[in-house]
Amino acid sequence: DAGVTQSPTHLIKTRGQQVTLRCSPKSGHDTVSWYQQALGQGPQFIFQYYEEEERQRGNFPDRFSGHQFPNYSSELNVNALLLGDSALYLCASSQDPLGNQPQHFGDGTRLSIL
Amino acid sequence: GENVEQHPSTLSVQEGDSAVIKCTYSDSASNYFPWYKQELGKGPQLIIDIRSNVGEKKDQRIAVTLNKTAKHFSLHITETQPEDSAVYFCAENEKLTFGTGTRLTIIP
Repeated sequence: DAGVTQSPTHLIKTRGQQVTLRCSPKSGHDTVSWYQQALGQGPQFIFQYYEEEERQRGNFPDRFSGHQFPNYSSELNVNALLLGDSALYLCASSQDPLGNQPQHFGDGTRLSIL
Repeated sequence: GENVEQHPSTLSVQEGDSAVIKCTYSDSASNYFPWYKQELGKGPQLIIDIRSNVGEKKDQRIAVTLNKTAKHFSLHITETQPEDSAVYFCAENEKLTFGTGTRLTIIP
């Protein structure tokens, strides 16, 4: 039973570029959330997708956007990359969007902006 | 807004001793409090969670206590082992507002 999988594991971009990160949820999970984790910090909630719609959003600019597909997989897109976007991007999945079931995390995508 | 304070930021304990990490939250509507363990190069792994209708939950060497009146909850690890060394995060609510993390080092 595969857990949450994310791709790629590492990525290097330059300022101003755009990036797409991908996530496949754990089998049986239909809710996907994305988090940004800066070095030495706790993860910060970006947004949550359920039924192919963004349901909740944290305090991130609209340069950060996402998508969820019918198979529950999800993408995180970041436009006009800034140096400060360098971080570990984590995807988490769960069985419901209301917080009644635990979230399971992938190992993340390490994004470096030069 | 939601805010979670976590203490201490670093903790070193002798193998076999107990470790305690404490978190304080601000949102009185919060009702779900998980703890995550993150090892180097890995994503956070859920180790235990508690909901607001109970005051304590235990799973082998790990326990969590919750005081809703005081708005704080704690992680207790007993009989610590070297493999317990990691960064531990508390979190609250379904959007998972995380604490700032505690780097736990177990000294053999």
